[in-house]
Amino acid sequence: GENVEQHPSTLSVQEGDSAVIKCTYSDSASNYFPWYKQELGKGPQLIIDIRSNVGEKKDQRIAVTLNKTAKHFSLHITETQPEDSAVYFCAASKGNQGGKLIFGQGTELSVKP
Amino acid sequence: DGGITQSPKYLFRKEGQNVTLSCEQNLNHDAMYWYRQDPGQGLRLIYYSQIVNDFQKGDIAEGYSVSREKKESFPLTVTSAQKNPTAFYLCASSMRGAPPTYEQYFGPGTRLTVT
Repeated sequence: GENVEQHPSTLSVQEGDSAVIKCTYSDSASNYFPWYKQELGKGPQLIIDIRSNVGEKKDQRIAVTLNKTAKHFSLHITETQPEDSAVYFCAASKGNQGGKLIFGQGTELSVKP
Repeated sequence: DGGITQSPKYLFRKEGQNVTLSCEQNLNHDAMYWYRQDPGQGLRLIYYSQIVNDFQKGDIAEGYSVSREKKESFPLTVTSAQKNPTAFYLCASSMRGAPPTYEQYFGPGTRLTVT
């Protein structure tokens, strides 16, 4: 079945620096790739997503890139702020299984003031 | 005020007891999902439902059961057959349609502790 690998598991950056989180997926039929942010004790919140017909998508300080050939996608956060500190999850979906998402293991991002 | 609600936020049970977790949404979403989250791990799919009165097993359905009698509600029962039930349980919902939209929106979660 589909497998999603996420790296690194922890990431610490200084405020203002950039942060990059990478995911690889195994099923070439996957066509939808969301990123979620989870704060302690809360449910994940969708922050950005990308579909397989697009190579890059940006929303203010957040961007996602997709390389279908290599089967990997990345989250880029620029000008990090302390409130960006959270656990980030990537996921992949083929879209033909009722929207079933397969999640990566998560990255704990710490932004130091 | 639209959203997904899960209750209770914290739940404690004795081993051997069944327990039902509530999930309600007023987003008019057709599809609903239950995930389990363990410390340091990603979310794992337990069950999902695309329409009322229909549901499918996810990757870790053993020891769990669900029902989908109403569009707004998708309760999860953790049975005594679940060997390691202590975890954080998350409910989500999404729209269906053409073209399909897959964005899943999550509730705040229920932390279940079984001793």
